[in-house]
Amino acid sequence: TQLLEQSPQFLSIQEGENLTVYCNSSSVFSSLQWYRQEPGEGPVLLVTVVTGGEVKKLKRLTFQFGDARKDSSLHITAAQPGDTGLYLCAGARAGSYQLTFGKGTKLSVIP
Amino acid sequence: GAVVSQHPSWVICKSGTSVKIECRSLDFQATTMFWYRQFPKQSLMLMATSNEGSKATYEQGVEKDKFLINHASLTLSTLTVTSAHPEDSSFYICSASPTSGIGGDTQYFGPGTRLTVL
Repeated sequence: TQLLEQSPQFLSIQEGENLTVYCNSSSVFSSLQWYRQEPGEGPVLLVTVVTGGEVKKLKRLTFQFGDARKDSSLHITAAQPGDTGLYLCAGARAGSYQLTFGKGTKLSVIP
Repeated sequence: GAVVSQHPSWVICKSGTSVKIECRSLDFQATTMFWYRQFPKQSLMLMATSNEGSKATYEQGVEKDKFLINHASLTLSTLTVTSAHPEDSSFYICSASPTSGIGGDTQYFGPGTRLTVL
């Protein structure tokens, strides 16, 4: 079973600061997805990256897929309290249904 | 678009009873649906994959006789937890894919169902 390691597990920052969350694996994934999950709710898809080296921007969020498709990062610029939540990365292998989820990074943005 | 609903959103039941959870894709047909379980402060763990009209595929360690899955139509899948015990208390989340779900085809997640077994 391939594992996705997310770091840090917890992150508490002041509003306006920048942050980066990492998702690493020893396995290659055909695609990698980032989700945000609020307490008591299901994950909401933020982005899917499929090409090694790909960078996608979603307003203040920048997602990068590693060249070898084993790792990814999420960078948030000028964090806002509304960014607070659990950020999950999930990888999919070619030919497989299974999404392997990381344990998540719990982000708290303090006003 | 791509909305997935779950019902109920939360349920409390007595030990030994059975509980059914519904997962519906509201605005698309879901070829494949997935059921996950999430324990507190842990990530999502895939329990089973179901395709409309065929038997579900269960992940290792998941008892198929305890967690009955029925993918009755292209918009509905149900998970029945039979003879529930307190250790089955968890957050159950379904997802649906408009395609086969293979290789990371997008899965749209439901809001989850909180099950508490007394």
